[in-house]
Amino acid sequence: DAKTTQPPSMDCAEGRAANLPCNHSTISGNEYVYWYRQIHSQGPQYIIHGLKNNETNEMASLIITEDRKSSTLILPHATLRDTAVYYCIVRTSYDKVIFGPGTSLSVIP
Amino acid sequence: SQTIHQWPATLVQPVGSPLSLECTVEGTSNPNLYWYRQAAGRGLQLLFYSVGIGQISSEVPQNLSASRPQDRQFILSSKKLLLSDSGFYLCAWRVDPSPLHFGNGTRLTVT
Repeated sequence: DAKTTQPPSMDCAEGRAANLPCNHSTISGNEYVYWYRQIHSQGPQYIIHGLKNNETNEMASLIITEDRKSSTLILPHATLRDTAVYYCIVRTSYDKVIFGPGTSLSVIP
Repeated sequence: SQTIHQWPATLVQPVGSPLSLECTVEGTSNPNLYWYRQAAGRGLQLLFYSVGIGQISSEVPQNLSASRPQDRQFILSSKKLLLSDSGFYLCAWRVDPSPLHFGNGTRLTVT
């Protein structure tokens, strides 16, 4: 099963880009990388996912390295409302979806 | 469009009482269904998941059980609640390779 590693916490100045890294060195060729976030006291919110190519949507961009062993979630202009725990997930076998501790992002005014 | 319904939103139950939380999904068929729990200040813990009717996989030994009587219905139960069962319970669904979609959760307080 692919596992992910993320830094436990990060700070980002409001208005600047937030770059959240994730290592998934054991990822298999057909496994997607998913990013979610959880704002305090709410359920997790899907952000973006990708397989090989970089992806962008209205919330964020996902940069996946060519060897697919790591990825970076980019919030282009962080706001105070982006303060949350961010989870990088690679679907494990048999459709289990395990959440690690994630990265607690604090956006500083 | 697909929607997920989870109820109740909050629940206060005494120790030793039974529990039943229900989750239903609309607008999709044969989804994978999941129950997660989040204790106060802790991460998301996968409790159960199901890839089909009557197929339940348990991730953590506990006094909870899950059932999937219909394709889009997932029920979390307990015969006797413990104080340690307090937490935020989340139901989720997905159809491979789409991402997880979460319900609004149930805040359970066992007193």
